[in-house]
Amino acid sequence: GNSVTQMEGPVTLSEEAFLTINCTYTATGYPSLFWYVQYPGEGLQLLLKATKADDKGSNKGFEATYRKETTSFHLEKGSVQVSDSAVYFCALSKETSGSRLTFGEGTQLTVNP
Amino acid sequence: NAGVTQTPKFQVLKTGQSMTLQCAQDMNHNSMYWYRQDPGMGLRLIYYSASEGTTDKGEVPNGYNVSRLNKREFSLRLESAAPSQTSVYFCASSVNGLYGYTFGSGTRLTVV
Repeated sequence: GNSVTQMEGPVTLSEEAFLTINCTYTATGYPSLFWYVQYPGEGLQLLLKATKADDKGSNKGFEATYRKETTSFHLEKGSVQVSDSAVYFCALSKETSGSRLTFGEGTQLTVNP
Repeated sequence: NAGVTQTPKFQVLKTGQSMTLQCAQDMNHNSMYWYRQDPGMGLRLIYYSASEGTTDKGEVPNGYNVSRLNKREFSLRLESAAPSQTSVYFCASSVNGLYGYTFGSGTRLTVV
């Protein structure tokens, strides 16, 4: 079946540091890949997505590239801010599974001033 | 504001009590979903409705029932609440899941 594995957290960084959160997936064919962000006390918000191999999703300074050869979709940001503190979820969706999202466990990011 | 609305935001139940979590979306989305979120386990799908008139089980359906009342509304019912159902519940909707979901703000449920 489909599955998503994220790097273990929590991750703590200083402001302006470089961020990488690793995500790998298991699925046949070509799933769509997503990163969602959850701020404290809120629901999940779509951060970025990629629907085919080699696509790069980007939003709010975050980027992730769909790598079919390594089945990965790592999230990166060049300079994090305190306001980026949140939980980040990697997810995939396949049409053959009814387009249901399969989520990773989530990675808690804390950015200190 | 357009989006997904969940009620209530917080609820405390005693073991054995029943309740219904309500969800409504005003984006004319075809598909709706119920997830639960537990520490260290990400989000797990309880039930989903691919279109009005259909519902299907997800990963963790035991102890829950759902009703797709119309295209806008998708409710989740706990018939006899158990402490293991203490969780945060999220409703979501999508036009097509391949392009992502819109989530509600969640219901924090505690069963004592």
